[in-house]
Amino acid sequence: ETVLTQSPGTLSLSPGERATLSCRASQSISSSYLAWYQQKPGQAPRFLIYGASSRAAGIPDRFSGSGSGTDFTLTISKLEAEDFAVYYCQQYGSSPRTFGQGTKVEIK
Amino acid sequence: QVRLQQWGAGLLKPSETLSLTCAVYGGSFSGYYWSWIRQPPGKGLEWIGEVNHGGGTNYNPSLKSRVTISVDMSENQFSLQLSSVTAADTAVYYCARGLVTMVRGPMGVWGKGTTVTVSS
Repeated sequence: ETVLTQSPGTLSLSPGERATLSCRASQSISSSYLAWYQQKPGQAPRFLIYGASSRAAGIPDRFSGSGSGTDFTLTISKLEAEDFAVYYCQQYGSSPRTFGQGTKVEIK
Repeated sequence: QVRLQQWGAGLLKPSETLSLTCAVYGGSFSGYYWSWIRQPPGKGLEWIGEVNHGGGTNYNPSLKSRVTISVDMSENQFSLQLSSVTAADTAVYYCARGLVTMVRGPMGVWGKGTTVTVSS
């Protein structure tokens, strides 16, 4: 099983600042089969990024993903009020699919 | 636009079987991977398993002995059964659809979630 470790656990930032979230895998993820999701309280996760760096339909270009192998990053270039949430990475290159434990982006 | 509507019993007693159904509206059912995911209160996401376009299933080893995922193509629905539940199975359960057909990709469309509580 591929274990995903996200860091930091919590990121305290102000609107307009840049957010950098990390996701590290216990083994190389084939074909960069890495996705990112955003979740707000009481809501289902929202699909953001697939293939490590491709944005899902309708996702603003302030969200970008990068990385390969075992190290991946989600960057939010300038935080807006609606971006404060929990973010999860997920690998779908091997079974079972696994999620990271999440990074909470909170307002400083 | 595709929408997933899910339902099932919200309160179970220990040792009972959890049963949830997810119906697909506004989009094609065939060709996709369909998954169940759960989230215990205050915790992260856990993938339970999936059924693919050919009817094949794939389960998380941690739950495999208790899980069954099935499809009803005639009704555009798929279902989750989890047997012998305990308090540790208390969670919000989500159904989800793969991003594109014929590929085991990320989960691009999610249901709103069903809260299931296990308590005596």
